[in-house]
Amino acid sequence: QVQLVQSEGGVVQPGKSLRLSCAVSGFTFSNTAMHWVRQTPDKGLEWVTAISDDGRDKHYADSVKGRFIVSRDNSKNILYLQLNSLKSDDTAVYFCGREGHSSGRAGNLNYWGQGVPVTVSS
Amino acid sequence: DIQMTQSPSTLSASLGDRVTITCRASQSIGDWLAWYQQKAGRSPKLLISAASSLERGVPSRFSGSGSGTQFTLTISSLQPDDFATYYCQQYDSYSLSFGGGTKVEIK
Repeated sequence: QVQLVQSEGGVVQPGKSLRLSCAVSGFTFSNTAMHWVRQTPDKGLEWVTAISDDGRDKHYADSVKGRFIVSRDNSKNILYLQLNSLKSDDTAVYFCGREGHSSGRAGNLNYWGQGVPVTVSS
Repeated sequence: DIQMTQSPSTLSASLGDRVTITCRASQSIGDWLAWYQQKAGRSPKLLISAASSLERGVPSRFSGSGSGTQFTLTISSLQPDDFATYYCQQYDSYSLSFGGGTKVEIK
């Protein structure tokens, strides 16, 4: 069965960095685009970034562009999100997600990781 | 960027009620709309793709309709397992965007 298992989040000071990972199984990872989405009580669900199946195409929300980096290792079936220059506004639960149905430009998420909390605080 | 607006934000209903949630896009997205259900402390679950296509295993009491800028999610007869928060999401283009959510509560 399809599984997306995320590494732990953490508490990080403003300006510092953190890397999240998402290990997948149960499907052909190298054929599937992947996403990161975050959630806060105030802002709800916020899409963060997406990466194509081969890792060549990446898209970012304006709120994280230039600070976050998405990558993937198709040999290990792992998706990554490098969070740099963290701000208090980045405090959220972060989910990885597998792209399902696609418009040809973007897609929905048909499987999600369990979500991990990231807290940015001094 | 495309903005997604859901209404109502909270909905109180009884078992067996017919429930309708509305989602409006700030510009036309064709039928590139998904609906998700999320329960407290859990990850979202995809219910509907392409505005009206039910995902495998989702009960038939759920249905979706609409195209362009106006969409609806309908639960024909509310069951105990349906009390949750529902989100719409457009995937016509990046940046992907979600509605603010509709919490379905017990009346």
